Amino acid sequence: GDSVTQMEGPVTLSEEAFLTINCTYTATGYPSLFWYVQYPGEGLQLLLKATKADDKGSNKGFEATYRKETTSFHLEKGSVQVSDSAVYFCALTLGGNNRLAFGKGNQVVVIP
Amino acid sequence: DSGVTQTPKHLITATGQRVTLRCSPRSGDLSVYWYQQSLDQGLQFLIQYYNGEERAKGNILERFSAQQFPDLHSELNLSSLELGDSALYFCASSAAKGGGLLSTGELFFGEGSRLTVL
Repeated sequence: GDSVTQMEGPVTLSEEAFLTINCTYTATGYPSLFWYVQYPGEGLQLLLKATKADDKGSNKGFEATYRKETTSFHLEKGSVQVSDSAVYFCALTLGGNNRLAFGKGNQVVVIP
Repeated sequence: DSGVTQTPKHLITATGQRVTLRCSPRSGDLSVYWYQQSLDQGLQFLIQYYNGEERAKGNILERFSAQQFPDLHSELNLSSLELGDSALYFCASSAAKGGGLLSTGELFFGEGSRLTVL
């Protein structure tokens, strides 16, 4: 079935460091791809999205490019802040019913 | 604030019991989704309702059931609870039924209901 795989384990980095979180997907069709973020004690919220190949989603300094050839949608930020500490989820939908399939999430901890 | 309200925020109960989780979607949203978040399974889609009708089913156990009422709020009923049902249960809503021009893929999540089964 359709699924999303995120790199294992939490990510700990210093403020102003470069962040990359890997995400690859398996889908039978042409999915839309998303990154959601979950701040402590809150629900998930949409960070960015891309709906077709080569699209780049961006928001709050984060970027991700939809790469059909490598079935990937890696999240990057050039200079993280302590306030970026959260759990980041990659997700996809084929649009049939707006249902999202999520990866397992990556805890990101940014230390000052 | 996403506009999605879930109650209760925390719930502690014993094995074998039954609980009901409640969700009020964003004003005007017709679709409601339920997700279960646990450490080992991650975020698992349980079920979706659109305007009162079941639209899609995911990994929902037979001991679990849900419904969406005419005022569009939804309830998730969990019965014969087991230790493994301990998790964070999220409700999300969206405007669209799914697919087509109205489908953006964006879901608006509540803060979740944390269920602990002892």
